Amino acid sequence: DAGVTQSPTHLIKTRGQHVTLRCSPISGHKSVSWYQQVLGQGPQFIFQYYEKEERGRGNFPDRFSARQFPNYSSELNVNALLLGDSALYLCASRVWTASFTDTQYFGPGTRLTVL
Amino acid sequence: DAKTTQPNSMESNEEEPVHLPCNHSTISGTDYIHWYRQLPSQGPEYVIHGLTSNVNNRMASLAIAEDRKSSTLILHRATLRDAAVYYCILRNKNAGGTSYGKLTFGQGTILTVHP
Repeated sequence: DAGVTQSPTHLIKTRGQHVTLRCSPISGHKSVSWYQQVLGQGPQFIFQYYEKEERGRGNFPDRFSARQFPNYSSELNVNALLLGDSALYLCASRVWTASFTDTQYFGPGTRLTVL
Repeated sequence: DAKTTQPNSMESNEEEPVHLPCNHSTISGTDYIHWYRQLPSQGPEYVIHGLTSNVNNRMASLAIAEDRKSSTLILHRATLRDAAVYYCILRNKNAGGTSYGKLTFGQGTILTVHP
């Protein structure tokens, strides 16, 4: 079975531009979460989506937005890019149940470089 | 949220056991202890979790102190493929469904395995 897939693998943008990152969850997984991982640090939670609705948001500015589609895939959008947005962006999917112990499965990430 | 403290780095030799410690002195009774690891150039992956009793799975063992203020992830025979950053994460089962898709990562422990 395919794992979580993300595209593109790498991306270079300049300050002020907009970027869209894409994620396809594991088949059967209905929830997607996004994380930002700056070099040398652990991943930081950005969003969680389930059934096309935002179900949780981390401490990130409004320049960050996301959406989930009927097929449960998701997009992360970042507007007005700053140098500090350079990071690895990770997508994780899980089966949406009432169990907080659900395992999250992470994709390989998209490496965003802002120049 | 209760915090965890891990050593920045540890080293091991191949085929030897590795004990990765995690301190969580402010842990609450409803906090589960989860471990994830992140191999180079990959997203994090689930390793193991537990509440009070020691736990074993095909990847590792989790030893939890009687007072639950610390825990140890045990890799019984380290291989070169175990070289990764290991994250100890607390998850509160009463935090609510919207938090289920959120993992709070710290800095983790960088494990180096020598051949």
